[in-house]
Amino acid sequence: GQSLEQPSEVTAVEGAIVQINCTYQTSGFYGLSWYQQHDGGAPTFLSYNALDGLEETGRFSSFLSRSDSYGYLLLQELQMKDSASYFCAVRRMDSSYKLIFGSGTRLLVRP
Amino acid sequence: DVKVTQSSRYLVKRTGEKVFLECVQDMDHENMFWYRQDPGLGLRLIYFSYDVKMKEKGDIPEGYSVSREKKERFSLILESASTNQTSMYLCASSSRQGPNTQYFGPGTRLTVL
Repeated sequence: GQSLEQPSEVTAVEGAIVQINCTYQTSGFYGLSWYQQHDGGAPTFLSYNALDGLEETGRFSSFLSRSDSYGYLLLQELQMKDSASYFCAVRRMDSSYKLIFGSGTRLLVRP
Repeated sequence: DVKVTQSSRYLVKRTGEKVFLECVQDMDHENMFWYRQDPGLGLRLIYFSYDVKMKEKGDIPEGYSVSREKKERFSLILESASTNQTSMYLCASSSRQGPNTQYFGPGTRLTVL
């Protein structure tokens, strides 16, 4: 089987740090991706972890642990504009070029 | 920058009509995808294509068909629209070298009355 689980909603305060988790039940995949989608907008690519460990891109970091079937997106110094939905995704080794997306986490940043 | 465009942002159709949604990408990507997005259900893959004239069913292909006659264009067809096909439709593309990064179009919000 294949599924990715994320919390449906997370709320945090401007300037804080928030972690959005993604747990998965799938075997044999290439890595974990994260996408951001603002209301009314298109999903945009944020990061990709091909290997275990932490990848940092500015205020955003992403982590992958294959042994724990777990990954997360870390957002630091939260800004109001970070309010959006965040999706994790994997590409299975037996599914050619398809991505499997989680159902998304809606992040609300409050003043 | 990669650009993926979709023919309409909003579309209203009647039950039973044939509906065409067009998607064009300008980065010479081999792979193109059609998703629908509904609240609480995330992104669900309808069909994808990894080359001209090639197509594969995604997770929810029923009631849809696709056409890829040119590399840059991928069309989604609703043969006979039904009210349960009211949704946001998103097109995406990716390259064979970078398949983990998909580039999305702005979406078409389709309402079937």
